[in-house]
Amino acid sequence: GAVVSQHPSWVICKSGTSVKIECRSLDFQATTMFWYRQFPKQSLMLMATSNEGSKATYEQGVEKDKFLINHASLTLSTLTVTSAHPEDSSFYICSAGGQDYEQYFGPGTRLTVT
Amino acid sequence: QKEVEQDPGPLSVPEGAIVSLNCTYSNSAFQYFMWYRQYSRKGPELLMYTYSSGNKEDGRFTAQVDKSSKYISLFIRDSQPSDSATYLCAMSTGGYNKLIFGAGTRLAVHP
Repeated sequence: GAVVSQHPSWVICKSGTSVKIECRSLDFQATTMFWYRQFPKQSLMLMATSNEGSKATYEQGVEKDKFLINHASLTLSTLTVTSAHPEDSSFYICSAGGQDYEQYFGPGTRLTVT
Repeated sequence: QKEVEQDPGPLSVPEGAIVSLNCTYSNSAFQYFMWYRQYSRKGPELLMYTYSSGNKEDGRFTAQVDKSSKYISLFIRDSQPSDSATYLCAMSTGGYNKLIFGAGTRLAVHP
């Protein structure tokens, strides 16, 4: 149980375009989902917390107009990187909150902006 | 000083060894403690989840929390090459509050 999927697993896009990443909890409902970013050989950096049906809460320094988060259902949250630039290239990982407040992570999405 | 300190390693052990991974923290409000395993280019996998002080065992893994010393440990018995990964400790004050991660310890188990 507690499986979280992400799609796509890897995406390459051109500078200036937008990219959408999906995060799904496959066998449980998650009222709260999280989006992280991870650079090589570094730990995870929380970008934002999303609650189903309400606006996401962004961490300090994360541009909410650049990283659009939508949590429209109890099993799906999306992250859209708008007007992507090479410095946005990173590993993006989502997690879904379990019933005991633990977090289950997805497999991650590798974004490369050329 | 970071809220959570974790030795980044790398830690190299022979197959079958007992591995001890540790984290220290400074925030006494932390109540929920987790250990994750992360393989290269993959998302973290939840291994152990404990609340407050005490021990928890699951197969070859044992998690210990000592809140009085602000110290948590993960022990891996009979380590296998497949255990080679980065191990992240994480903790929170409760609810869906922000998880604070350690830097991660890279473990290599060689045959």
